[in-house]
Amino acid sequence: ELKVEQNPLFLSMQEGKNYTIYCNYSTTSDRLYWYRQDPGKSLESLFVLLSNGAVKQEGRLMASLDTKARLSTLHITAAVHDLSATYFCAVDGETSGSRLTFGEGTQLTVNP
Amino acid sequence: NAGVTQTPKFQVLKTGQSMTLQCAQDMNHEYMSWYRQDPGMGLRLIHYSVGAGITDQGEVPNGYNVSRSTTEDFPLRLLSAAPSQTSVYFCATRQLTGRGEQFFGPGTRLTVL
Repeated sequence: ELKVEQNPLFLSMQEGKNYTIYCNYSTTSDRLYWYRQDPGKSLESLFVLLSNGAVKQEGRLMASLDTKARLSTLHITAAVHDLSATYFCAVDGETSGSRLTFGEGTQLTVNP
Repeated sequence: NAGVTQTPKFQVLKTGQSMTLQCAQDMNHEYMSWYRQDPGMGLRLIHYSVGAGITDQGEVPNGYNVSRSTTEDFPLRLLSAAPSQTSVYFCATRQLTGRGEQFFGPGTRLTVL
């Protein structure tokens, strides 16, 4: 059974600081997705990572995928308050059929 | 394109009532699924479908039924609502080829009294 673990689950950081959210998964996969959820809203797709070594950047967020280590990172550069949200990673496991397996989510709060 | 739509946005039920949450998509995606999200928690998969006429159970299927008669629609039925089914329900669709990205509907907030 595919397991996906994110850490930290809660992250409080100051504006201007950098930090990384980690997403580890337990079985072979080369497809990983990052989502953002604002309070009371639905999930919005952020990044699609489809191969080992894939790196995607959008504004202050950068996501990468290392399929050999079974690890994806979401790096936040010079955080701003607008990045406060919950971030989920989701993995398309080779033995999971068509289902994505989601991590528990990382609740990020950026303080002024 | 409307993407993924869900109705209703909000619903209050009494224990024992039944209802159907609607989900429709215009993206021609093969895969459709239902999740529930409880406060402070992640997503739990209820049921999913890989095409018309094919459905399967997720992690928490008890108390819910689904059917998939068309590519576009994937309704979720609560047979006899219970307070434990108070939650936010998200429908999601996914193309099983190419990028395989999953897209979520806006959600239905359900309260069972």
